[in-house]
Amino acid sequence: GIQVEQSPPDLILQEGANSTLRCNFSDSVNNLQWFHQNPWGQLINLFYIPSGTKQNGRLSATTVATERYSLLYISSSQTTDSGVYFCAVDPEGGGGADGLTFGKGTHLIIQP
Amino acid sequence: DTGVSQDPRHKITKRGQNVTFRCDPISEHNRLYWYRQTLGQGPEFLTYFQNEAQLEKSRLLSDRFSAERPKGSFSTLEIQRTEQGDSAMYLCASSSPKAGHITYEQYFGPGTRLTVT
Repeated sequence: GIQVEQSPPDLILQEGANSTLRCNFSDSVNNLQWFHQNPWGQLINLFYIPSGTKQNGRLSATTVATERYSLLYISSSQTTDSGVYFCAVDPEGGGGADGLTFGKGTHLIIQP
Repeated sequence: DTGVSQDPRHKITKRGQNVTFRCDPISEHNRLYWYRQTLGQGPEFLTYFQNEAQLEKSRLLSDRFSAERPKGSFSTLEIQRTEQGDSAMYLCASSSPKAGHITYEQYFGPGTRLTVT
């Protein structure tokens, strides 16, 4: 099956810093989503971005489908940004029937 | 729209007991997914429904697990003869077709945390 690798696995930053999280995937995809999992376990949708660039406030994401990677940018970090960030993909040809394949996540800690 | 809801949020059971979880998707979403997440890992796909039809099951879904989605609305996931290895967060997601897209953005519920003692 498709492999999804996220880096770095852990990241500790001071409030106000910027960060870049990376997601590499091993095969072509129809869907790529970024999620933020809060301390209570809720997965919060950040971006649905199978290709191209999107921005939402302090967050932006870019997926280069031909090179099989996606980047999530967080600017001017706040303590509420802390948590685990997941990249998840739906491989091409599955039509959604295989569900999303998740990476292991990046655990982000923002210190005040 | 209140989002995907799951019930119960927490369940503690003894090994060997049966448990059932419920998921209510976003209204009019025709696709519904179940996932399992263990500590320190990303969620793993278990099964998928389009309307009332169960179209795909992961190898992770042993024969002790069964899922239903009667009438294409809410779904239930039952685990029979629970084992300690079943302890995990069980997540439900739903999605709806969007014009021009092959696959669709999934929205997750808050999960049911199962502890088997």
